[in-house]
Amino acid sequence: EIVMTQSPATLSVSPGERATLSCRASQSISSNLAWYQQKPGQAPRLLIYGASTRATGIPATFSGSGSGTEFTLTISSLQSEDFAVYYCQQYNNWPYTFGQGTKLEIK
Amino acid sequence: VQLVETGGGLIQPGGSLTLSCAASGFTVSYNYMSWVRQAPGKGLEWVSVVYSSGTTRYADSVKGRFTISRDISENTLYLQMNSLRAEDTAVYYCARIHDYGHSDYWGQGTLVTVSS
Repeated sequence: EIVMTQSPATLSVSPGERATLSCRASQSISSNLAWYQQKPGQAPRLLIYGASTRATGIPATFSGSGSGTEFTLTISSLQSEDFAVYYCQQYNNWPYTFGQGTKLEIK
Repeated sequence: VQLVETGGGLIQPGGSLTLSCAASGFTVSYNYMSWVRQAPGKGLEWVSVVYSSGTTRYADSVKGRFTISRDISENTLYLQMNSLRAEDTAVYYCARIHDYGHSDYWGQGTLVTVSS
């Protein structure tokens, strides 16, 4: 099973600033990585797939990068609605494992 | 595209429950479909998948106790859960898996609580 490790567990950032979230895979997953956003009481929402492709309707303030084992989600200018928990998921091998999440909170 | 889960509730340890996920806007049997769960205050855990071919896979934590299936005529995905344990307590989401492998549509989730 591929282990996905996200860092940091919690990130405190001020509105308007940039946030950088990291995700590491225990073995190479090529670009088979997705990022999801989850707000309290809601289902996860797809943000990025293929490591860097924004899903439909996702604003350009969200960008993904990386390949192999190291990946990054960047939110260029934080809006109030962006404060949430973010998960990465690999879909290179079954089971399609998730990271433990990064909570993005208002500083 | 819409996914609507039903069937959650309070169940005693050792009991059984069946979750349903009614799909609209696409055909369940043409897609990979999965169940993902989230224990209270915890992260996401993949539970099971059914391929368009009908092949199924399960997480080790539920293998032998849970069964994923689908009804073509009802365009609905199911998760039959037997021998339930306290650690199965979670919100259960169904999700469609895109051809590339990511989950592009999710239901709103249904809460299963296993407790005496």
